[in-house]
Amino acid sequence: GQQLNQSPQSMFIQEGEDVSMNCTSSSIFNTWLWYKQEPGEGPVLLIALYKAGELTSNGRLTAQFGITRKDSFLNISASIPSDVGIYFCAGRYTGNQFYFGTGTSLTVIP
Amino acid sequence: DAMVIQNPRYQVTQFGKPVTLSCSQTLNHNVMYWYQQKSSQAPKLLFHYYDKDFNNEADTPDNFQSRRPNTSFCFLDIRSPGLGDAAMYLCATSRDRGQGKVWQYFGPGTRLTVT
Repeated sequence: GQQLNQSPQSMFIQEGEDVSMNCTSSSIFNTWLWYKQEPGEGPVLLIALYKAGELTSNGRLTAQFGITRKDSFLNISASIPSDVGIYFCAGRYTGNQFYFGTGTSLTVIP
Repeated sequence: DAMVIQNPRYQVTQFGKPVTLSCSQTLNHNVMYWYQQKSSQAPKLLFHYYDKDFNNEADTPDNFQSRRPNTSFCFLDIRSPGLGDAAMYLCATSRDRGQGKVWQYFGPGTRLTVT
């Protein structure tokens, strides 16, 4: 399968701070999805991106499809304690296979 | 609510004893996936069905098999579970919404323990 690397691997931030994370691939993708996963649960879809340069928001979350098509970025503004979890990117070129990034673990300190 | 359902949420099996995990969906999506997720790791795609067409990932062990008897149901069979197969198994579905836009939805997962 494809190898997608996420950075940073983990983050510890104060409540109210903004968060930035990214996902990079050695291959180009046509679709990027961002998920949040909490312990013992399945990933929950947050944002979907389909076009290079696309910028999409979902509440306090904003994600961008990198112009090289090999990366994507997720920002969370004004973090709150319930933002805690592991954030995964997933990429797809053609076909139906999605490949997941290594994940960014977010801890928000009240 | 339309959703992806996995049963059971927790499954314990013995080393070498075949086990089947179940997934159903009410979304009427034509693609269904099985992922394996080990602790602190990313979900790893095992295989997927596009309608009735089975697509295996090259590095999926032969010990893992799947069946999709109809659109709504998909099963993961582990023929001879080893200790290394203990993991969370995630079922997902997707559908092309047109213009290449695909959303993928996950079930809550089944945590498999091998004793």
